[in-house]
Amino acid sequence: AQRVTQPEKLLSVFKGAPVELKCNYSYSGSPELFWYVQYSRQRLQLLLRHISRESIKGFTADLNKGETSFHLKKPFAQEEDSAMYYCALSSRGSEKLVFGKGTKLTVNP
Amino acid sequence: DAGVIQSPRHEVTEMGQEVTLRCKPISGHDYLFWYRQTMMRGLELLIYFNNNVPIDDSGMPEDRFSAKMPNASFSTLKIQPSEPRDSAVYFCASSLSGGSQPQHFGDGTRLSIL
Repeated sequence: AQRVTQPEKLLSVFKGAPVELKCNYSYSGSPELFWYVQYSRQRLQLLLRHISRESIKGFTADLNKGETSFHLKKPFAQEEDSAMYYCALSSRGSEKLVFGKGTKLTVNP
Repeated sequence: DAGVIQSPRHEVTEMGQEVTLRCKPISGHDYLFWYRQTMMRGLELLIYFNNNVPIDDSGMPEDRFSAKMPNASFSTLKIQPSEPRDSAVYFCASSLSGGSQPQHFGDGTRLSIL
C-alpha cells in the first residue's frame, strides 16, 4: 500500500533561517513524488516534482530511495513561504495521488 | 482562465438531506478527481475519472456517495442521505494525461451537516 508521512503538523522558523519539511513514503514500486502548497486564501497548487529536479521559489527536494524520503528544503526562509505544504506520491504511470496530512509552515519576521 | 470551478463554496444542511457538489474542470483536461479533506484524515482521494469514465472509486466511503461525469465539462458528487460525519471540505481537481502532470485544484466546497 502507498503511504505518505509528514511527521510535523506545525513548523515555525524565523525569516532567513533554513527550513526543512520532512516527507517519508512507503511504496514498493517506482514512486513519483510531489510537493503541493496552499497559501492563505489560495488554491492548492503544485510546487515541485522530483522528476523535474527543479528549484521553485528557492525550494528543492531530493528523492532518497534508500531512506524513502523526499524532504523539502530552503536555505533562507521568507515570510511569504508561510503556507500549508503537502507531500504526495503516485506510482509511475498512474494519475492517482496519495497525500500526506500536511505541514503548516510559519515563517516569523 | 478561471481554473477549476466548484459550487457551492459553502453548504450547510441538515442530516438526511441530499447534497450535490458540482465541478467544472479546466477545458481540455482528461482527468477529474474528487477529494475530501478532514482534520483527522487529511486529503483523501474519493474517485477519479478519465475521459468521463470512472477509473477508481475505491475511496468512496459508502453507498451514500455517488459521482458522475456526464460530459467533459461537468461532474457532480452526491451524498444521499447526508450525515454529520460527512462534514468536510470537498475538492475537485483536473489534469492533463501523460504522467506526473500537475493536478489543478478548485477552491473547494466546505460542507457542514447539522
